[in-house]
Amino acid sequence: GIQVEQSPPDLILQEGANSTLRCNFSDSVNNLQWFHQNPWGQLINLFYIPSGTKQNGRLSATTVATERYSLLYISSSQTTDSGVYFCACTGSARQLTFGSGTQLTVLP
Amino acid sequence: GAVVSQHPSRVICKSGTSVKIECRSLDFQATTMFWYRQFPKQSLMLMATSNEGSKATYEQGVEKDKFLINHASLTLSTLTVTSAHPEDSSFYICSARKNPGTEEAFFGQGTRLTVV
Repeated sequence: GIQVEQSPPDLILQEGANSTLRCNFSDSVNNLQWFHQNPWGQLINLFYIPSGTKQNGRLSATTVATERYSLLYISSSQTTDSGVYFCACTGSARQLTFGSGTQLTVLP
Repeated sequence: GAVVSQHPSRVICKSGTSVKIECRSLDFQATTMFWYRQFPKQSLMLMATSNEGSKATYEQGVEKDKFLINHASLTLSTLTVTSAHPEDSSFYICSARKNPGTEEAFFGQGTRLTVV
């Protein structure tokens, strides 16, 4: 099946800083999503982005499908951005395969 | 977006008992739902794919007789953990896609199961 790798595994930022999270995948994808898992475990959909670029407020994402990677940008980070960010992909099979996540901590 | 509701959000049960977790798509129909398990500090691992009106498909290493899945309607899938043991304690979370529609998946709130 498809392999999904995320980097960095951990990231600590000062409030107001910008960050870039990376997701590499091993095969062509039909779906790529970015999620934020809050402290209660809920997965919040950030982007559905199998290709191209999208922006939503301080967050934006870019997927370059031909080079098999996606980037999540967080600008002007806030303490409420803290949590785990997951990238997940669907290849030829329909189920999502998750990366190992990036634990983001934003310090006040 | 789309709303997927999971119930209960938290459950504590005794060893040897069974626990049922419900996953509902509130504003769309889903012929397929997915069940994941997440251990502390780890990623989500797919357990099984739930298919409306037919048998679920289980991932390798997941015991189908222990984790019973029923997908009786286009808006409801249930996961029953039978004869629960402490090692079954985990966070269980379901997802669904709109049918027909995009590949975008939406997730329930998750269920934290503790077996004592």
